[in-house]
Amino acid sequence: DVKVTQSSRYLVKRTGEKVFLECVQDMDHENMFWYRQDPGLGLRLIYFSYDVKMKEKGDIPEGYSVSREKKERFSLILESASTNQTSMYLCASSLTGRGEKLFFGSGTQLSVL
Amino acid sequence: GIQVEQSPPDLILQEGANSTLRCNFSDSVNNLQWFHQNPWGQLINLFYIPSGTKQNGRLSATTVATERYSLLYISSSQTTDSGVYFCATSIYNQGGKLIFGQGTELSVKP
Repeated sequence: DVKVTQSSRYLVKRTGEKVFLECVQDMDHENMFWYRQDPGLGLRLIYFSYDVKMKEKGDIPEGYSVSREKKERFSLILESASTNQTSMYLCASSLTGRGEKLFFGSGTQLSVL
Repeated sequence: GIQVEQSPPDLILQEGANSTLRCNFSDSVNNLQWFHQNPWGQLINLFYIPSGTKQNGRLSATTVATERYSLLYISSSQTTDSGVYFCATSIYNQGGKLIFGQGTELSVKP
């Protein structure tokens, strides 16, 4: 089975801090994604990557950046955390960009105080 | 962009009952997936079903792409089926970028 691992289950940060959320997949998938999930707003795509060092903006990229230096690892960066970035962050991966099954990590609940 | 609508928004069942969840989408798609989010937040991929019918135990799914809908059937429901069910899809030239519906929240009572 595919395993997508997110480094933290819960995270508490202060406003203005730089925050790194890490995600690792173990199945040599080409595609990796970062979503955030908020009550009433569902899952929204922040950024995705189809290859190493390649990234594309999703629907809500403002305030975020990403890094993919190695195929198995996709990092989400909050340059200066704000309270409106308090959310559940979900990492996912799929084999290619041609519509294969998407596999999710267990999520990181981030609170920005 | 593509719109994905799920119904009903929430559902309460007695253990052992059957249910049907619906997902409508607004455009031609090449990718339809169903997910279950358990009460701890983990999203599990149930089906990858761009067309046709698949079964996995008590769950089955049918997608009629030409009519732009998909159905998820849960038979003999159990309390462990509780959680939120999402469908997600993408349009032909963006196969990896899924758009999610708002979900159906299912509660199965013992």
